[in-house]
Amino acid sequence: GAVVSQHPSWVICKSGTSVKIECRSLDFQATTMFWYRQFPKQSLMLMATSNEGSKATYEQGVEKDKFLINHASLTLSTLTVTSAHPEDSSFYICSARETGTVISTEAFFGQGTRLTVV
Amino acid sequence: LAKTTQPISMDSYEGQEVNITCSHNNIATNDYITWYQQFPSQGPRFIIQGYKTKVTNEVASLFIPADRKSSTLSLPRVSLSDTAVYYCLVGDKTGTASKLTFGTGTRLQVTL
Repeated sequence: GAVVSQHPSWVICKSGTSVKIECRSLDFQATTMFWYRQFPKQSLMLMATSNEGSKATYEQGVEKDKFLINHASLTLSTLTVTSAHPEDSSFYICSARETGTVISTEAFFGQGTRLTVV
Repeated sequence: LAKTTQPISMDSYEGQEVNITCSHNNIATNDYITWYQQFPSQGPRFIIQGYKTKVTNEVASLFIPADRKSSTLSLPRVSLSDTAVYYCLVGDKTGTASKLTFGTGTRLQVTL
């Protein structure tokens, strides 16, 4: 199946700094990618929908100035956690579907990025 | 968005068949039902998808009754490595921009 790759797999940063997470579709193009956050023992929570060439769409309660999303190409979306604080520590996961497919096609998920803010 | 309801957790012994049922009473005509598996500290992995009746692949079967208000994921002869969280998702509209909303999932624990 198609592969979605995230980088880095884990990152530790100091409080107040910014962290960028990359999400790449390795063997397919994706006009839309999704960013999720997952806290321990909880389900995935959709944060935003990343649209190639346009602004991201954020879910209610997610601060767009806090979580900057850039989808500059059909194979790359980035999530930047700005001015990170310990409460931003979480597992961040991206997903994508191939361009042009209908809902019956599976979505592919990255391996996730474990962010720890100290 | 069609909401899904699953049991929070299930336990099974190795070698048994496990059936996880998901309720989705508000499923729409165009919605598909998809199941994902997630291991700790990994992204979800696609298991199976269906629209109606029965779908089977190399790892699981998916049973969907005629009213489509529920679905059952069947895992034959589970092993320890099947210990994971299983999510039932229902799509809200067609197109690649369709969001996938995760419910609570079912935490399956397989023991010897």
